[in-house]
Amino acid sequence: QITLKESGPTLVKPTQTLTLTCTFSEFSFSMSGVGVAWIRQPPGKALEWLAVIYWDYDKLYTPSLKSRLTITKDTSKNQVVLTMTDMDPVDTATYYCARRRYDSGSYFFDYWGQGTLVTVSS
Amino acid sequence: SSELTQGPAVSVALGQTVRITCQGDSLRAYYASWYRQKPGQAPILVIYGRNNRPSGIPDRFSGSSSGDTASLTITGAQAEDEADYYCDSRDNIGNYVFGNGTKVTVL
Repeated sequence: QITLKESGPTLVKPTQTLTLTCTFSEFSFSMSGVGVAWIRQPPGKALEWLAVIYWDYDKLYTPSLKSRLTITKDTSKNQVVLTMTDMDPVDTATYYCARRRYDSGSYFFDYWGQGTLVTVSS
Repeated sequence: SSELTQGPAVSVALGQTVRITCQGDSLRAYYASWYRQKPGQAPILVIYGRNNRPSGIPDRFSGSSSGDTASLTITGAQAEDEADYYCDSRDNIGNYVFGNGTKVTVL
């Protein structure tokens, strides 16, 4: 059974750097076309793409946050790490990681973590 | 702001059919995928590609596309289909993007 789980701080102060880890099981980056992405959702608002890293180390970032984001992977640990610098209260959100896959002419997220709520407050 | 536009809300009577749309110029070139999200839960994939359902998704969910609009149709809506629905694809310059979401209420 494929699972993903987010971990990291639940509370960060403004200007601090957030580091989130996604640990997954029952799949690996040896699978061609597989990626792991980060998505966030502020309370009561829509989903927002943040970043994705693929099996071949290709990375994509959402343009509006690109300067603040870094995504990396540790294939041996089945983990993907997202760092976001200069946190602000508007970054308060539930952060999800999800598996990205390509099939039938489409990319999609077929498995999601449960999400972790990160609050930015002094 | 999202490059994929969804209507904010739609209601449907129990057992009736509802269509949710996702509009964007990029959809002329890319398929959309669709997700259902219930309150307090992570989204789940319901449709991807031209019209593909993951294992476990009922066949009352179907997808289609025409021009700049992708659609998700629920034929015979059930109470458990009451949720927010999001489309996911690319914008005009290839960045990934979600639609702004549509709230479906089953009456």
